[in-house]
Amino acid sequence: DAKTTQPTSMDCAEGRAANLPCNHSTISGNEYVYWYRQIHSQGPQYIIHGLKNNETNEMASLIITEDRKSSTLILPHATLRDTAVYYCIVSRSSNTGKLIFGQGTTLQVKP
Amino acid sequence: GAGVSQTPSNKVTEKGKYVELRCDPISGHTALYWYRQSLGQGPEFLIYFQGTGAADDSGLPNDRFFAVRPEGSVSTLKIQRTERGDSAVYLCASSLTGAGNTEAFFGQGTRLTVV
Repeated sequence: DAKTTQPTSMDCAEGRAANLPCNHSTISGNEYVYWYRQIHSQGPQYIIHGLKNNETNEMASLIITEDRKSSTLILPHATLRDTAVYYCIVSRSSNTGKLIFGQGTTLQVKP
Repeated sequence: GAGVSQTPSNKVTEKGKYVELRCDPISGHTALYWYRQSLGQGPEFLIYFQGTGAADDSGLPNDRFFAVRPEGSVSTLKIQRTERGDSAVYLCASSLTGAGNTEAFFGQGTRLTVV
């Protein structure tokens, strides 16, 4: 599975958009980009995933560059409850539950 | 139940003892995963079940760790001769099929402390 690189930490003002970047320059054609987050003392929670096209759901938007070497997770209106560690993970289509977690980005949403 | 359930939520055991951690996946999910998370780190993959069989156990650290899923539903992670380094949060996840375009649902974890 391809490796991902994320900033260690980010701050965001409450009500503003949070844009979390991720580099995955070695991604291969059959690998999906997944985003999970982990709020303190809870298990990871699925946010969104994509293969090539941009995706949007009720939680977030995922923007994948045309060459698929990087992506951005967008939380359109961050709230204090969005404070968490966000993990960008690349996973093969044959086993999308075997997730290789890195250190993730700790997002702190501030009032 | 509505989500993945793990029991116990906390377990304290003495070094050298045997422990069992239980995972009840979401009903109908054929894929089940165990992860281990040490303080300040991301979860680390241990083992993956597809139905009753262990399809990938490449993450088990050594032969003291073993997991079963005899009826393709509930799974038990077993740790023999526990060591202080085994202290961590053990997470279980399940997904509908495990392949192509599916998400994994995680439980709250079991916090294991070996003293």
